[in-house]
Amino acid sequence: AQSVAQPEDQVNVAEGNPLTVKCTYSVSGNPYLFWYVQYPNRGLQFLLKYITGDNLVKGSYGFEAEFNKSQTSFHLKKPSALVSDSALYFCAVRPRASGGSYIPTFGRGTSLIVHP
Amino acid sequence: EAGVAQSPRYKIIEKRQSVAFWCNPISGHATLYWYQQILGQGPKLLIQFQNNGVVDDSQLPKDRFSAERLKGVDSTLKIQPAKLEDSAVYLCASSLRGRNTEAFFGQGTRLTVV
Repeated sequence: AQSVAQPEDQVNVAEGNPLTVKCTYSVSGNPYLFWYVQYPNRGLQFLLKYITGDNLVKGSYGFEAEFNKSQTSFHLKKPSALVSDSALYFCAVRPRASGGSYIPTFGRGTSLIVHP
Repeated sequence: EAGVAQSPRYKIIEKRQSVAFWCNPISGHATLYWYQQILGQGPKLLIQFQNNGVVDDSQLPKDRFSAERLKGVDSTLKIQPAKLEDSAVYLCASSLRGRNTEAFFGQGTRLTVV
């Protein structure tokens, strides 16, 4: 069965510092990988995705993520955090191959708090 | 471009009552999802439609939950009868066809069962 792990419930970072939100996954074959952000009382918003090609993916609001096949990870990064980046971040995985379950699976979410 | 619309935003019901949620996806999106998000957890897929056909409902508690997507556009999710553990946010999302496409989410319906 496929699964997504976000090992940190909360990440605290000072404004202007780099941030990393971690995600590891377990799925057969090479998956499609996604990051979403959820602001209070809002639905989830798409940030970026990995399909194929360059392991470093750039997305919205200055975020990027690095796909590491050997470590089965897809960590979300930003060089310089903003207070407005404070939100709940979800990693999601979807199997690429046909056959079997191919439903998207989400992690539990990581609360990012950026301090002024 | 209009986003995914959901109603109602909030609903409080007593256990054993029934409730229905409505979703209008982004125009042109063939795929529609219903997710359940319990507090402190990530969204869990309940059912996925492709046009008006069910693609996956393996995680839908079919003894009490039902969903339909008539004419391949709007969708409704129903719970009958509700249990306390159904308290959650119900999210509707839509996307273009394909596993590598990102989903666009509505604001969700917060259901409280008392």
